[in-house]
Amino acid sequence: GAVVSQHPSWVICKSGTSVKIECRSLDFQATTMFWYRQFPKQSLMLMATSNEGSKATYEQGVEKDKFLINHASLTLSTLTVTSAHPEDSSFYICSAAREGRNQPQHFGDGTRLSIL
Amino acid sequence: LAKTTQPISMDSYEGQEVNITCSHNNIATNDYITWYQQFPSQGPRFIIQGYKTKVTNEVASLFIPADRKSSTLSLPRVSLSDTAVYYCLVGDPQGGKLIFGQGTELSVKP
Repeated sequence: GAVVSQHPSWVICKSGTSVKIECRSLDFQATTMFWYRQFPKQSLMLMATSNEGSKATYEQGVEKDKFLINHASLTLSTLTVTSAHPEDSSFYICSAAREGRNQPQHFGDGTRLSIL
Repeated sequence: LAKTTQPISMDSYEGQEVNITCSHNNIATNDYITWYQQFPSQGPRFIIQGYKTKVTNEVASLFIPADRKSSTLSLPRVSLSDTAVYYCLVGDPQGGKLIFGQGTELSVKP
């Protein structure tokens, strides 16, 4: 199997709050983890790619100081949305992949973030 | 960036075979083409991947022509539970980024 657990599944918080989302690969070692953002009725937009023990690589237009990514172990990556504002409200999804370019990504069930 | 084109939506009836094509005219030479299924408010689920010709597993088949400018996901005998959005994922030839297609919303009717 290849199970990825993402928590929390739903967050509602006030503007200015920082929110941390966890992504864990439960039964395999994830060399690479990905973070996506998805708006309603749209495809997944890659935010950043992280490799264990290295700094994340952010996509163009994604503020690295706003979206802090840590991939401290082969089974855990975290995304922290700092000082969140209403425009950060979205569906955030992580995925994890074993070593190897053509290893499929296995996805968590996403986090619905609502900033009031 | 690699550009992909998928039909926005498709309708089918239970028991029919459904073929969803993703056109991708410029993708990374060594990357596999992967397809995912996504239900509302869930993460995508891996369906199948391949490099060339035909790949089949217990749920789907994937057809990739020799020029790799497209790929077709084939779902045999769909059921109501196959109603979902289906995405292709390909590699960009410049920079190595993996790119999701726009997604095809499949609606299966009784």
